[in-house]
Amino acid sequence: ELKVEQNPLFLSMQEGKNYTIYCNYSTTSDRLYWYRQDPGKSLESLFVLLSNGAVKQEGRLMASLDTKARLSTLHITAAVHDLSATYFCAVDWDNNNDMRFGAGTRLTVKP
Amino acid sequence: DVKVTQSSRYLVKRTGEKVFLECVQDMDHENMFWYRQDPGLGLRLIYFSYDVKMKEKGDIPEGYSVSREKKERFSLILESASTNQTSMYLCASSFPSGGNEQFFGPGTRLTVL
Repeated sequence: ELKVEQNPLFLSMQEGKNYTIYCNYSTTSDRLYWYRQDPGKSLESLFVLLSNGAVKQEGRLMASLDTKARLSTLHITAAVHDLSATYFCAVDWDNNNDMRFGAGTRLTVKP
Repeated sequence: DVKVTQSSRYLVKRTGEKVFLECVQDMDHENMFWYRQDPGLGLRLIYFSYDVKMKEKGDIPEGYSVSREKKERFSLILESASTNQTSMYLCASSFPSGGNEQFFGPGTRLTVL
């Protein structure tokens, strides 16, 4: 059974600080996705990582994938309040876009 | 822009009722998915479909069925709703094969009384 574990599940940080969210998964895969969900809204795609060593950056967010360690990270640089949301990672384990999601990390950025 | 729409944002039903949740996508995606989202559990896959009239069970199919008669439409059916099916239901669609992100609908918050 594929397991996708995110940590932390809750993260409260000050504006301007840096932090990393971790996503570990239990099976071989080189396709990992990060999504953002604002309260009361649906999921919005942030990053698609499709190979070992892949790194994608958008604004203050940077995602990376280490398929050998079965680990992806989402790094937040100089956080701002607008980044407050829940972040999910998802692993495509069978190359059919059949994804399994982590439990999500609820990020709150405080002034 | 990809658009995935769901028939209702909020729905309240009684125990034992038959419930239909509908999802429509306009991007000609082959794959469609139904998830439920519960606090602390993330998204759990109920059913998915790779093509018209095809369906595959996800991780939690018990108590649910699906129908896909047309490529753009994927319906989730609760044959006899129970209180433990109170949840947020999310539909998604994508092109086939790995490397294609899923696009999500706005969700339906279902309450079963």
